[in-house]
Amino acid sequence: NAGVTQTPKFRVLKTGQSMTLLCAQDMNHEYMYWYRQDPGMGLRLIHYSVGEGTTAKGEVPDGYNVSRLKKQNFLLGLESAAPSQTSVYFCASSYSTGNEKLFFGSGTQLSVL
Amino acid sequence: GNSVTQMEGPVTLSEEAFLTINCTYTATGYPSLFWYVQYPGEGLQLLLKATKADDKGSNKGFEATYRKETTSFHLEKGSVQVSDSAVYFCALRIYTGGFKTIFGAGTRLFVKA
Repeated sequence: NAGVTQTPKFRVLKTGQSMTLLCAQDMNHEYMYWYRQDPGMGLRLIHYSVGEGTTAKGEVPDGYNVSRLKKQNFLLGLESAAPSQTSVYFCASSYSTGNEKLFFGSGTQLSVL
Repeated sequence: GNSVTQMEGPVTLSEEAFLTINCTYTATGYPSLFWYVQYPGEGLQLLLKATKADDKGSNKGFEATYRKETTSFHLEKGSVQVSDSAVYFCALRIYTGGFKTIFGAGTRLFVKA
């Protein structure tokens, strides 16, 4: 009954450091997404994937890279972290139809100093 | 483009008061519409949805009707409880090179006993 699992839950980075956020889902979903949540701005789509081996840019992709080597995993990378990337990051997944809901992970709180 | 606009919060109500949170959207096609709820420290979870014009979504006493003529999907509840205190997000799901879900900025609701 795991659903969508994100690791880590919290992280503090210094400017210029790199890190990878891991998202894993056990529901055999085709679609996976990375969002960031900032006060007053709702959730903004960073990157998404429509299937294993595919990725695409969302609204705010700059400074991030992603990979979907396995269907169940979607990785979000920050190559050189900046203070503007301080945010709460959510992974989500869904089936591949238009009326399907998103299943969310519990989030990663990232601070870049 | 595709976007969602919802009323700014916070909204503060007394228990048993009537709730309305306004949501309007702009979409190039025929989106499905959703309300998600986020409790403190958690990811978003689906509250209700509607997939075509004039559909009414309902769950846990909350309702919203898909109004194509006014491009709106307002959330209502007849009698709120303290446990309804949360952040509510209106969202649309549409196909643009893959199915994407676009969120409004969120409305925080406080319910006082």
